[in-house]
Amino acid sequence: DAGVIQSPRHEVTEMGQEVTLRCKPISGHNSLFWYRQTMMRGLELLIYFNNNVPIDDSGMPEDRFSAKMPNASFSTLKIQPSEPRDSAVYFCASSLASVFDEQFFGPGTRLTVL
Amino acid sequence: AQSVAQPEDQVNVAEGNPLTVKCTYSVSGNPYLFWYVQYPNRGLQFLLKYITGDNLVKGSYGFEAEFNKSQTSFHLKKPSALVSDSALYFCAVRSDSNYQLIWGAGTKLIIKP
Repeated sequence: DAGVIQSPRHEVTEMGQEVTLRCKPISGHNSLFWYRQTMMRGLELLIYFNNNVPIDDSGMPEDRFSAKMPNASFSTLKIQPSEPRDSAVYFCASSLASVFDEQFFGPGTRLTVL
Repeated sequence: AQSVAQPEDQVNVAEGNPLTVKCTYSVSGNPYLFWYVQYPNRGLQFLLKYITGDNLVKGSYGFEAEFNKSQTSFHLKKPSALVSDSALYFCAVRSDSNYQLIWGAGTKLIIKP
């Protein structure tokens, strides 16, 4: 398996533009997580899907952020409109569903909003 | 409330010496503990986990961790450090009463030649 795949790896955009980050989880994993990592706040869970259904989106900063998982092999995180404070590295991770299972992380998308 | 503490922002160790990266936790219910490593410009990689059984858990790259229930700790150890072990290390905990993985702030490990 290729592991968790994220695209793009780097994104530079201007304030106010829409940004879409993409994730392909590991085949057979039924849990998917979106995280954001910054120097100031460390690693933050944004949203968690189980079997394509959003279970917990309490970490989504505000209405500008939205996430979808239309099928088991694809998820998107959208920011509209983007702001400079959204600049961070965004990680997608997947796992099997039990509390015993570790998460497998993608390489991340480094987002810079100018 | 569940929490994880990594009391050291940075740990410096000479190559060849033993290393310890500390982690303490607080959960209600049985804890399930994880260590991850992050190399520069990379995603987090799973190192090892404690679920049940033997308190000493062995993982990737020669790392091990010891679960201590009375001290609510899960310290990461390696007998002989390598320069290539230099990275950011994260401890995380989950319990059987809460699916969410709670992350520590991370500890930067620097191994000097």
